[in-house]
Amino acid sequence: TQLLEQSPQFLSIQEGENLTVYCNSSSVFSSLQWYRQEPGEGPVLLVTVVTGGEVKKLKRLTFQFGDARKDSSLHITAAQPGDTGLYLCAALLIQGAQKLVFGQGTRLTINP
Amino acid sequence: DAMVIQNPRYQVTQFGKPVTLSCSQTLNHNVMYWYQQKSSQAPKLLFHYYDKDFNNEADTPDNFQSRRPNTSFCFLDIRSPGLGDAAMYLCATSRDSFLAGYNEQFFGPGTRLTVL
Repeated sequence: TQLLEQSPQFLSIQEGENLTVYCNSSSVFSSLQWYRQEPGEGPVLLVTVVTGGEVKKLKRLTFQFGDARKDSSLHITAAQPGDTGLYLCAALLIQGAQKLVFGQGTRLTINP
Repeated sequence: DAMVIQNPRYQVTQFGKPVTLSCSQTLNHNVMYWYQQKSSQAPKLLFHYYDKDFNNEADTPDNFQSRRPNTSFCFLDIRSPGLGDAAMYLCATSRDSFLAGYNEQFFGPGTRLTVL
């Protein structure tokens, strides 16, 4: 059983469309992070959310942390081909030590 | 620029022939991690070092070992690689999460291992 469930697992859309990726769990997190990974490279941290209900924006990307700190979403407005990649959510559990738990990832393809 | 460096980027080895992957960091972070990532999957944690303290994941095969001779360097040794060990191996670092309150990890570019 996956502790962090990401949906959808695969998404292919046209340039200019909007999209939302979800990261859900039954567990409470002390923080949650979103990473983007391009082919042949390591994941790059996009954002960390810590407070329930928190919203952070990074240009066309909007990240939201659920009020109960069990879920998060990533919304991309007017997607561009450069947004293509594997998006991973990762969480530090309340009871956890130095380890992050990763979701299975959402592979996003933006078609020109 | 402060960063996490992995060498080599691509490594080819033969079935059963020992191989060592290296990672170095200029971030002066306490914690270093090794992950295995297979195609289109999430990274899977193999082990991590908190300073010199080694922490192995319960499901990490004995075939995988690690060394951290100093703060900057960490090595992944695969004693007898099998075909199933072909993957991307990612090194990551973080500061002490207990002090920071969260655990932002900084990843290297990875080493892609091929086993023939």
